[in-house]
Amino acid sequence: EPEVTQTPSHQVTQMGQEVILRCVPISNHLYFYWYRQILGQKVEFLVSFYNNEISEKSEIFDDQFSVERPDGSNFTLKIRSTKLEDSAMYFCASGTSKETQYFGPGTRLLVL
Amino acid sequence: LAKTTQPISMDSYEGQEVNITCSHNNIATNDYITWYQQFPSQGPRFIIQGYKTKVTNEVASLFIPADRKSSTLSLPRVSLSDTAVYYCLVGDRGNTPLVFGKGTRLSVIA
Repeated sequence: EPEVTQTPSHQVTQMGQEVILRCVPISNHLYFYWYRQILGQKVEFLVSFYNNEISEKSEIFDDQFSVERPDGSNFTLKIRSTKLEDSAMYFCASGTSKETQYFGPGTRLLVL
Repeated sequence: LAKTTQPISMDSYEGQEVNITCSHNNIATNDYITWYQQFPSQGPRFIIQGYKTKVTNEVASLFIPADRKSSTLSLPRVSLSDTAVYYCLVGDRGNTPLVFGKGTRLSVIA
C-alpha cells in the first residue's frame, strides 16, 4: 500500500537556524498539506497546496514558513529562523481529494 | 466550522465493542463527519467518513442519526492495538482544511 514518507524522522537545530522538512506524497495525489502537533496538544493545520500553489493557510503559517514542490515528487516545508516554540511534530499529508488525507509518520523537530 | 464535543478518554477491555459518541449540534447541510485515529508519535489515520445513517468498513462502523447532531464511531471487538486517540471532525469536504480537536483517548486493557 502506498504511503506518505517524511525525512528526516528527527531534526535538532539551534534557534535562529533554518530547517527544511521533506515529504514524498503518494504519487497520484493532488492535494498536499502540512500540519504540526506540539507535544501534548492538538494537531494544527498549517497549509494546503494544490496545483503548484498554496490554496489555504492558517494564522500559524506566517512569513517564517514556506512550502515548495521542487520536483514532481517532493513537497517541502521550510522554517526560517527557527524559534523554541517551533518544536513540534510536523506531519505531511496528501490526498486525491480534500476529504480523505493520508498522513506521513512525521518529523520531530527540536529547537534548542 | 461545526464544533465537536467528544469524551476526553475511555477505557475498555479487549474483545469488547467500543462506541465513541461525538456531538456536533451546529453541523451544516454540506458537512460530512470524519473520524481519524492517531497512535503515539504517528500521524492521524483516516478511519471512516459518513453523511447520514450508517457506514461500515473493515475497521469500524459510523452511526449518524437523522438529525445529524451527533455521530457514534463503533469499534467491534477491540484489541490492545486499538489504544489510540480518536478524532471526530466535521466539515465541508470541498472547502475546509481538517480541524482536529482534542479527541478521545481510548485505552484498551487486557
